[in-house]
Amino acid sequence: GNSVTQMEGPVTLSEEAFLTINCTYTATGYPSLFWYVQYPGEGLQLLLKATKADDKGSNKGFEATYRKETTSFHLEKGSVQVSDSAVYFCALSDSGGGNKLTFGTGTQLKVEL
Amino acid sequence: NAGVTQTPKFRVLKTGQSMTLLCAQDMNHEYMYWYRQDPGMGLRLIHYSVGEGTTAKGEVPDGYNVSRLKKQNFLLGLESAAPSQTSVYFCASSSTDRFQQGTDTQYFGPGTRLTVL
Repeated sequence: GNSVTQMEGPVTLSEEAFLTINCTYTATGYPSLFWYVQYPGEGLQLLLKATKADDKGSNKGFEATYRKETTSFHLEKGSVQVSDSAVYFCALSDSGGGNKLTFGTGTQLKVEL
Repeated sequence: NAGVTQTPKFRVLKTGQSMTLLCAQDMNHEYMYWYRQDPGMGLRLIHYSVGEGTTAKGEVPDGYNVSRLKKQNFLLGLESAAPSQTSVYFCASSSTDRFQQGTDTQYFGPGTRLTVL
Protein backbone atom coordinates (compact mmCIF):
# COMPACT_ATOMS: atom_id res chain seq x y z
CA GLY A 1 0.00 0.00 0.00
CA ASN A 2 0.89 3.67 -0.07
CA SER A 3 3.09 5.19 2.59
CA VAL A 4 4.89 8.45 3.35
CA THR A 5 8.00 8.78 5.50
CA GLN A 6 9.08 12.15 6.90
CA MET A 7 12.08 13.12 8.93
CA GLU A 8 11.30 13.22 12.59
CA GLY A 9 11.18 16.44 14.50
CA PRO A 10 11.18 18.66 16.22
CA VAL A 11 13.44 20.79 14.07
CA THR A 12 14.70 23.98 15.68
CA LEU A 13 16.29 26.67 13.52
CA SER A 14 17.39 30.25 13.91
CA GLU A 15 15.60 32.90 11.87
CA GLU A 16 17.01 33.21 8.31
CA ALA A 17 18.42 29.67 8.39
CA PHE A 18 17.94 27.25 5.49
CA LEU A 19 15.25 24.63 5.94
CA THR A 20 15.02 21.12 4.53
CA ILE A 21 12.37 18.62 5.61
CA ASN A 22 12.83 15.25 3.95
CA CYS A 23 9.91 13.26 2.58
CA THR A 24 10.00 9.96 0.72
CA TYR A 25 7.07 7.90 -0.46
CA THR A 26 5.94 4.50 -1.65
CA ALA A 27 3.00 4.39 -4.02
CA THR A 28 1.45 2.58 -6.93
CA GLY A 29 0.62 4.56 -10.02
CA TYR A 30 1.37 8.26 -10.36
CA PRO A 31 0.16 10.09 -7.26
CA SER A 32 0.06 13.81 -6.68
CA LEU A 33 2.30 14.97 -3.82
CA PHE A 34 1.47 17.61 -1.26
CA TRP A 35 2.85 19.58 1.64
CA TYR A 36 0.29 20.74 4.19
CA VAL A 37 1.04 23.06 7.10
CA GLN A 38 -0.70 23.17 10.49
CA TYR A 39 -0.27 26.27 12.61
CA PRO A 40 -0.91 25.94 16.35
CA GLY A 41 -4.57 25.34 17.17
CA GLU A 42 -5.65 25.27 13.54
CA GLY A 43 -6.55 22.78 10.84
CA LEU A 44 -4.28 21.82 7.97
CA GLN A 45 -3.91 24.05 4.95
CA LEU A 46 -2.29 23.32 1.62
CA LEU A 47 1.19 24.76 1.30
CA LEU A 48 2.15 23.43 -2.14
CA LYS A 49 1.63 20.50 -4.45
CA ALA A 50 3.04 18.77 -7.53
CA THR A 51 1.08 16.51 -9.81
CA LYS A 52 3.74 14.80 -11.94
CA ALA A 53 7.41 13.90 -12.01
CA ASP A 54 9.86 16.84 -12.14
CA ASP A 55 7.11 19.34 -11.25
CA LYS A 56 8.13 21.93 -8.68
CA GLY A 57 5.55 23.26 -6.28
CA SER A 58 6.18 26.59 -4.59
CA ASN A 59 4.42 28.97 -2.24
CA LYS A 60 5.42 31.57 0.37
CA GLY A 61 9.12 30.94 -0.32
CA PHE A 62 8.78 27.18 0.18
CA GLU A 63 9.41 24.78 -2.66
CA ALA A 64 9.52 21.05 -3.33
CA THR A 65 10.31 19.02 -6.45
CA TYR A 66 8.61 15.74 -7.36
CA ARG A 67 11.50 13.29 -7.86
CA LYS A 68 10.21 10.00 -9.21
CA GLU A 69 13.66 8.41 -9.47
CA THR A 70 14.29 8.87 -5.74
CA THR A 71 10.58 8.80 -4.71
CA SER A 72 11.11 12.01 -2.80
CA PHE A 73 9.41 15.37 -2.29
CA HIS A 74 11.67 17.31 0.08
CA LEU A 75 10.48 20.67 1.37
CA GLU A 76 12.95 23.58 1.30
CA LYS A 77 13.01 27.24 2.20
CA GLY A 78 16.01 29.49 1.87
CA SER A 79 15.37 31.73 4.87
CA VAL A 80 12.87 30.79 7.56
CA GLN A 81 10.97 33.23 9.74
CA VAL A 82 9.52 32.88 13.23
CA SER A 83 6.07 32.86 11.59
CA ASP A 84 6.98 29.60 9.80
CA SER A 85 6.85 27.73 13.11
CA ALA A 86 4.27 25.01 12.55
CA VAL A 87 3.88 21.31 11.85
CA TYR A 88 4.48 20.26 8.24
CA PHE A 89 2.87 17.18 6.69
CA CYS A 90 3.89 15.46 3.50
CA ALA A 91 1.09 13.57 1.74
CA LEU A 92 0.29 11.72 -1.44
CA SER A 93 -2.98 11.17 -3.25
CA ASP A 94 -4.44 7.71 -3.64
CA SER A 95 -4.82 6.76 -7.27
CA GLY A 96 -7.72 4.51 -6.34
CA GLY A 97 -10.20 7.36 -6.44
CA GLY A 98 -11.96 9.50 -3.88
CA ASN A 99 -9.01 11.92 -3.74
CA LYS A 100 -7.92 10.11 -0.57
CA LEU A 101 -4.64 11.20 0.99
CA THR A 102 -1.96 9.27 2.82
CA PHE A 103 -0.09 11.47 5.29
CA GLY A 104 3.32 11.31 6.86
CA THR A 105 3.60 11.67 10.63
CA GLY A 106 4.40 15.38 10.46
CA THR A 107 7.52 17.39 11.31
CA GLN A 108 7.36 20.15 13.88
CA LEU A 109 9.41 23.22 13.02
CA LYS A 110 10.32 25.84 15.59
CA VAL A 111 12.08 28.99 14.43
CA GLU A 112 13.79 31.15 17.04
CA LEU A 113 15.09 34.71 16.90
CA ASN B 1 -17.44 31.65 2.40
CA ALA B 2 -16.91 29.93 5.73
CA GLY B 3 -15.15 26.99 4.06
CA VAL B 4 -15.25 23.90 6.28
CA THR B 5 -16.69 24.25 9.77
CA GLN B 6 -16.84 21.72 12.60
CA THR B 7 -19.08 21.51 15.65
CA PRO B 8 -18.26 21.28 18.53
CA LYS B 9 -14.68 22.52 19.02
CA PHE B 10 -14.16 20.63 22.28
CA ARG B 11 -15.96 17.78 23.99
CA VAL B 12 -15.38 15.55 27.00
CA LEU B 13 -17.21 12.21 27.18
CA LYS B 14 -17.35 9.37 29.63
CA THR B 15 -16.66 5.85 28.44
CA GLY B 16 -19.79 4.40 26.85
CA GLN B 17 -21.42 7.71 25.98
CA SER B 18 -22.36 8.56 22.43
CA MET B 19 -21.97 11.72 20.41
CA THR B 20 -22.08 13.13 16.90
CA LEU B 21 -19.58 15.48 15.31
CA LEU B 22 -20.91 17.75 12.58
CA CYS B 23 -18.97 18.92 9.56
CA ALA B 24 -20.35 21.47 7.11
CA GLN B 25 -18.87 22.90 3.91
CA ASP B 26 -20.15 25.68 1.69
CA MET B 27 -17.91 25.05 -1.34
CA ASN B 28 -20.30 22.64 -3.08
CA HIS B 29 -17.68 19.89 -2.83
CA GLU B 30 -18.67 16.34 -3.65
CA TYR B 31 -16.06 14.59 -1.50
CA MET B 32 -15.83 14.79 2.28
CA TYR B 33 -13.57 13.07 4.81
CA TRP B 34 -13.12 12.43 8.51
CA TYR B 35 -9.63 12.04 9.96
CA ARG B 36 -8.21 11.58 13.41
CA GLN B 37 -4.89 13.05 14.45
CA ASP B 38 -2.84 11.43 17.17
CA PRO B 39 0.67 12.34 18.36
CA GLY B 40 3.37 10.74 16.26
CA MET B 41 0.89 9.18 13.85
CA GLY B 42 -0.08 11.96 11.46
CA LEU B 43 -3.64 11.96 10.15
CA ARG B 44 -5.50 8.74 9.57
CA LEU B 45 -8.64 8.48 7.47
CA ILE B 46 -11.69 7.18 9.34
CA HIS B 47 -14.45 7.36 6.72
CA TYR B 48 -15.09 9.32 3.58
CA SER B 49 -17.92 10.12 1.16
CA VAL B 50 -17.83 10.65 -2.60
CA GLY B 51 -21.30 12.18 -2.75
CA GLU B 52 -24.63 12.69 -1.04
CA GLY B 53 -25.96 9.40 0.31
CA THR B 54 -22.63 7.55 -0.01
CA THR B 55 -20.05 6.58 2.59
CA ALA B 56 -16.96 4.37 2.58
CA LYS B 57 -14.48 3.05 5.14
CA GLY B 58 -11.03 4.50 5.48
CA GLU B 59 -7.99 3.22 7.32
CA VAL B 60 -9.41 3.21 10.89
CA PRO B 61 -13.23 2.91 10.71
CA ASP B 62 -13.91 0.69 13.74
CA GLY B 63 -16.02 2.31 16.44
CA TYR B 64 -17.29 5.08 14.15
CA ASN B 65 -20.27 5.56 11.88
CA VAL B 66 -20.95 8.31 9.36
CA SER B 67 -23.83 9.73 7.36
CA ARG B 68 -24.06 12.10 4.39
CA LEU B 69 -27.74 12.92 4.07
CA LYS B 70 -27.06 16.35 2.59
CA LYS B 71 -24.24 17.26 0.24
CA GLN B 72 -22.95 20.00 2.51
CA ASN B 73 -22.91 17.97 5.75
CA PHE B 74 -20.93 14.95 6.90
CA LEU B 75 -21.64 13.54 10.36
CA LEU B 76 -19.31 11.36 12.42
CA GLY B 77 -20.87 9.30 15.19
CA LEU B 78 -19.40 7.47 18.15
CA GLU B 79 -21.99 5.02 19.51
CA SER B 80 -20.07 3.93 22.61
CA ALA B 81 -17.01 6.07 23.23
CA ALA B 82 -13.77 4.49 24.44
CA PRO B 83 -10.61 6.14 25.83
CA SER B 84 -8.77 5.01 22.66
CA GLN B 85 -10.95 7.46 20.74
CA THR B 86 -9.43 10.43 22.54
CA SER B 87 -8.03 12.43 19.65
CA VAL B 88 -8.35 15.52 17.50
CA TYR B 89 -10.83 14.99 14.68
CA PHE B 90 -10.58 16.84 11.38
CA CYS B 91 -13.09 17.06 8.59
CA ALA B 92 -12.06 17.91 5.05
CA SER B 93 -13.66 18.31 1.64
CA SER B 94 -12.51 18.33 -1.96
CA SER B 95 -13.93 18.93 -5.41
CA THR B 96 -14.39 16.32 -8.10
CA ASP B 97 -14.00 18.68 -11.03
CA ARG B 98 -10.94 17.28 -12.76
CA PHE B 99 -10.68 20.29 -15.02
CA GLN B 100 -10.18 22.76 -12.21
CA GLN B 101 -6.71 23.42 -10.94
CA GLY B 102 -6.20 21.91 -7.52
CA THR B 103 -9.07 19.48 -7.89
CA ASP B 104 -7.47 16.95 -5.56
CA THR B 105 -6.69 19.52 -2.87
CA GLN B 106 -8.44 18.86 0.41
CA TYR B 107 -9.71 21.77 2.52
CA PHE B 108 -9.71 21.20 6.27
CA GLY B 109 -11.86 22.37 9.14
CA PRO B 110 -10.39 23.67 12.42
CA GLY B 111 -10.78 20.39 14.28
CA THR B 112 -12.64 18.97 17.28
CA ARG B 113 -10.69 17.96 20.36
CA LEU B 114 -12.39 14.97 21.98
CA THR B 115 -11.43 13.50 25.34
CA VAL B 116 -12.95 10.22 26.52
CA LEU B 117 -12.53 9.55 30.24
